Amino acid sequence: DGGITQSPKYLFRKEGQNVTLSCEQNLNHDAMYWYRQDPGQGLRLIYYSQIVNDFQKGDIAEGYSVSREKKESFPLTVTSAQKNPTAFYLCASSIWTRHNEQFFGPGTRLTVL
Amino acid sequence: EDKVVQSPLSLVVHEGDTVTLNCSYEVTNFRSLLWYKQEKKAPTFLFMLTSSGIEKKSGRLSSILDKKELFSILNITATQTGDSAVYLCAVMGAQKLVFGQGTRLTINP
Repeated sequence: DGGITQSPKYLFRKEGQNVTLSCEQNLNHDAMYWYRQDPGQGLRLIYYSQIVNDFQKGDIAEGYSVSREKKESFPLTVTSAQKNPTAFYLCASSIWTRHNEQFFGPGTRLTVL
Repeated sequence: EDKVVQSPLSLVVHEGDTVTLNCSYEVTNFRSLLWYKQEKKAPTFLFMLTSSGIEKKSGRLSSILDKKELFSILNITATQTGDSAVYLCAVMGAQKLVFGQGTRLTINP
């Protein structure tokens, strides 16, 4: 089955630790995206990537880093520099020329203890 | 700055009622407006609207766009408990989707 997978579903980390969230897609999509969702604020774009080895900052990139070494994978690292990392993180993908048709993964809920 | 605002933020109704959710936007280089339904995890696509005045319909859900007044509405008739969710409005600008805060809809039996 084609789709987007994110892991883990729930993640707990201590303050000061970096943590990496996984996102994989087998839809052969060029573009991939990371969003953060907080209660009452909708989704905000962290980073996006149009092609392998290229990515762009979104609206709230500070404290996050990404890589795009393979078309299928777009991992997100939440660094200790991110001041308020507790949130729900959603990954999405699309054909780049149709980036208004984004398919979302199930999300990872990150809690900082 | 691009902005999408949804109202109300929260709505509680009884099963069988009809509801209208609102979405207004200020986004440069507007390309399309999308509605999603989110039930605890991944948002699922409902509608994409690009032209004013043309109603999109899927079962009990319908939506319409007004590009002159910069808003869209999502109607749900004969609501059911399974309609309980957060409904997200998003607008595609030059290169990215801008999301509203979402409307949390609760349908009581």
